[in-house]
Amino acid sequence: AQSVTQLGSHVSVSEGALVLLRCNYSSSVPPYLFWYVQYPNQGLQLLLKYTSAATLVKGINGFEAEFKKSETSFHLTKPSAHMSDAAEYFCAVSDPGGGADGLTFGKGTHLIIQP
Amino acid sequence: GAGVSQSPSNKVTEKGKDVELRCDPISGHTALYWYRQSLGQGLEFLIYFQGNSAPDKSGLPSDRFSAERTGGSVSTLTIQRTQQEDSAVYLCASSRFDSGTVYNEQFFGPGTRLTVL
Repeated sequence: AQSVTQLGSHVSVSEGALVLLRCNYSSSVPPYLFWYVQYPNQGLQLLLKYTSAATLVKGINGFEAEFKKSETSFHLTKPSAHMSDAAEYFCAVSDPGGGADGLTFGKGTHLIIQP
Repeated sequence: GAGVSQSPSNKVTEKGKDVELRCDPISGHTALYWYRQSLGQGLEFLIYFQGNSAPDKSGLPSDRFSAERTGGSVSTLTIQRTQQEDSAVYLCASSRFDSGTVYNEQFFGPGTRLTVL
């Protein structure tokens, strides 16, 4: 069974500071990994995905994540936070090649940007 | 439409009533997913359709929940005899199903917020 752990239900950073959101996964096979963002009263938007190609993945809005198999991690980073980055972020995992199981999500991290 | 749409956006019902939640996927997307987002459980996967068929219904929380999809398009999630613990945001997503693609991105709708009084 797959699982995802996001450390920190709330993360607060100053505008312009580094954003680091942590995600660790547990999977019996090398998974596909994703980061989604959810703005208030909206659906989920895909930020970036890892599907066994390059381990450093670049996404939208200046975010990137690095897949580290040895650490079973897929942390999300952004060099300089912007006020518009304030949102809920979800890490998710999927078995490769199968849509039937859907995505398994972490509990989410609420990112707060301090002016 | 341009994206996944869901209706209603908000639903308030009384305990014991039945509710129907609707999802209109992106045109041409053959795969459709239902998820539930609640404070206690986070985001849970409920069920997946490929075309009109749902291979595995074990993710549905109880036998009060059912889902169907007709014409390979619109899907309805029905909750019978609603309980307070059913209160949540129900999200729908759709994707292409292309066996030649490594991963087919799921596009999410805005959700239906269900409140059971």
